[in-house]
Formats: sequence, C-alpha cells, structure tokens
Amino acid sequence: DAGITQSPRYKITETGRQVTLMCHQTWSHSYMFWYRQDLGHGLRLIYYSAAADITDKGEVSDGYVVSRSKTENFPLTLESATRSQTSVYFCASTPGLYYEQYFGPGTRLTVT
Amino acid sequence: SQQGEEDPQALSIQEGENATMNCSYKTSINNLQWYRQNSGRGLVHLILIRSNEREKHSGRLRVTLDTSKKSSSLLITASRAADTASYFCATDAINQGAQKLVFGQGTRLTINP
Repeated sequence: DAGITQSPRYKITETGRQVTLMCHQTWSHSYMFWYRQDLGHGLRLIYYSAAADITDKGEVSDGYVVSRSKTENFPLTLESATRSQTSVYFCASTPGLYYEQYFGPGTRLTVT
Repeated sequence: SQQGEEDPQALSIQEGENATMNCSYKTSINNLQWYRQNSGRGLVHLILIRSNEREKHSGRLRVTLDTSKKSSSLLITASRAADTASYFCATDAINQGAQKLVFGQGTRLTINP
C-alpha cells in the first residue's frame, strides 16, 4: 500500500537495551524525519535526512542513531534506551523543501 | 526551543460554531503550516502559508499570517464533531533551514454536539 508506515506500533523495552524503530515510505520522497511527541513539549525533531546517506541532527538527537541506505527506509535506533526516551515517535516524509510533511501513524515506546 | 506557541491550549465549542486558534512565533520564517492530530493518530497536514502570503482558504479552513506581528490564526467555520482534534502550527525559521519544522504544543479543540 502507498504511504508511510511505522513498525512496531507499540514497543515495551527495558533500560539499557537497543531498540530500532522502522519507517518506510512508498513515495520516493527525498526528505525523511523522526520526531518525538511528549506531553508539554509538542513534537520535537530528532533527526532528518535529505537523501540516502545524508542525515543531520535535530533538536533532541542525543542517544539516537539513524541511517538511510535506501530512499524509502529511515530506521531510528536507540542505542541504550533510557526511561526519558519513553515517548511517541513519528516518522514523516516530504518530497522537497517548502512542502508539507506526511506523517506515519506513530510508535508508542515505553522504556521500563 | 519552542518557535511556535498556540493559544488557547484548549478550546471547547458547540457544533456549528466557529473555532479560532492562534499561533505566535519568534523568528523570521519561510512558511507556516497547520496540522491536525486526532487522538492516537499521526499528524495530518491542513494548510501551508508562505511568508509572502497573508491569507489562505481550504474548504472550511481559513488561515491568516501577519509577519509583522509574527502570528497566524486558523479559523474553522461551521464546526463539526469530526473536527475534534489537536491542532498544531509549525514553522521553519529562515536561520534554521527550510525543513527543520518547529511545532508548537498545540490547541486541543473539542466540538460538543
């Protein structure tokens, strides 16, 4: 199906474990993004990518790693999960500068 | 740092009434966008207004932008129960790069039947 998907939709993990959240889009959009949404903070940008193999940090990138070997995929890895990373994570994509962003359904991550 | 700030944080109105939400931001922007988020879902784009535009319409939505006051408003006319959602403004500051959107904390809109 066309669109942007995220997996898993829900994840519970323990402190210190590595977790990877997946994002896949079928539009061949150049730009992809990862945000986290927390009460009281709105959405905050974690990382973004302008194209395959081009990534850059956002506002809250500490503790996260991204890669983009293929245009359609943009995985986000929490190298050693902490309780403060409990959040809802959204992936988004857009075809280019000054365009709207298309959001995935989100992944609710709980770190215990 | 928060670029866009929505006001009010929560708004409850009767079905059929108009709803107005405001967004203020701090630095010069390229564009301002409004998004809607239904409970437990991803964000859906509503309108993008460029810095050289003053007003834009889309169906029952009307967005204004006043760059001199660094503010925008979203008006939803003839509200419906399905408009119940959170609404976010997002800006891309000129000195941050066009794709680094900064979101406000949102306005939670409730439409009462």
